[in-house]
Amino acid sequence: KAGVTQTPRYLIKTRGQQVTLSCSPISGHRSVSWYQQTPGQGLQFLFEYFSETQRNKGNFPGRFSGRQFSNSRSEMNVSTLELGDSALYLCASSLFGVTGSYEQYFGPGTRLTVT
Amino acid sequence: GDSVTQMEGPVTLSEEACLTINCTYTATGYPSLFWYVQYPGEGLQLLLKATKADDKGSNKGFEATYRKETTSFHLEKGSVQVSDSAVYFCALSDQAGTALIFGKGTTLSVSS
Repeated sequence: KAGVTQTPRYLIKTRGQQVTLSCSPISGHRSVSWYQQTPGQGLQFLFEYFSETQRNKGNFPGRFSGRQFSNSRSEMNVSTLELGDSALYLCASSLFGVTGSYEQYFGPGTRLTVT
Repeated sequence: GDSVTQMEGPVTLSEEACLTINCTYTATGYPSLFWYVQYPGEGLQLLLKATKADDKGSNKGFEATYRKETTSFHLEKGSVQVSDSAVYFCALSDQAGTALIFGKGTTLSVSS
C-alpha cells in the first residue's frame, strides 16, 4: 500500500507571498492532520480534517488554513508568508483503529523556506 | 494542557550498548502513547504504541510500557545498532484523538 505523499518536497518563497501544500493520504484513510516542525518549537499540530470537515485546530494564526477534498486529499495554505513560517510541514493520515487509537502515519514533509 | 517531556539529547552510545530514553506526560484522561522515529531528511515513522495502562508496545527490539502511576512511557532497547541513529519523539493523543502532542525529541547517535 502506498504511503502518505506530499508535494512539493521543497519550496522557496518570498515574504508576503502565499503557498499551497498538498497531501495524499494512505488509501482508505479519511483523517488527515498537518504539523509544523521547526528547530525552536518542535512539532506543533496545525489542524485535522475528516470527511472534508475540520475537526480540530491548533494554536496558529488565521493565515494558516486547510481543506480536504472528497477523495480525502488535503491542502494547506499559508498566506502572507513570514520568515518564521520557514519549517518542515508534515502531513499525517490515520484510520480509526479497533482499539480506538488514532495511529498517524506521516509523509516525508514539505520543506518551506521563506526569504 | 496536555504535554510531553522527554530527556534532552544528544545521547551518544557505542554499538551494542543499552538504551533508555525517558518520557513523562501530563494529560487529562487516558491518552494513547506513541514513540516515533525520524531519520535525517525524512518524515516520522511510528515505532510503537500503547493504548492503555500497563500495555507494552514493542517493535524492532524497542520496547516501552505505559505506566499510569508514574505517567511515563520510557523507550528501551537492549542492544543498539548504528542504524538506530535518529531522532526519537514521544507523543500522546489529545482527548479528541485527532492530534498528537509531541515531546521535543531526543537525538541518538550510535558509533561502531
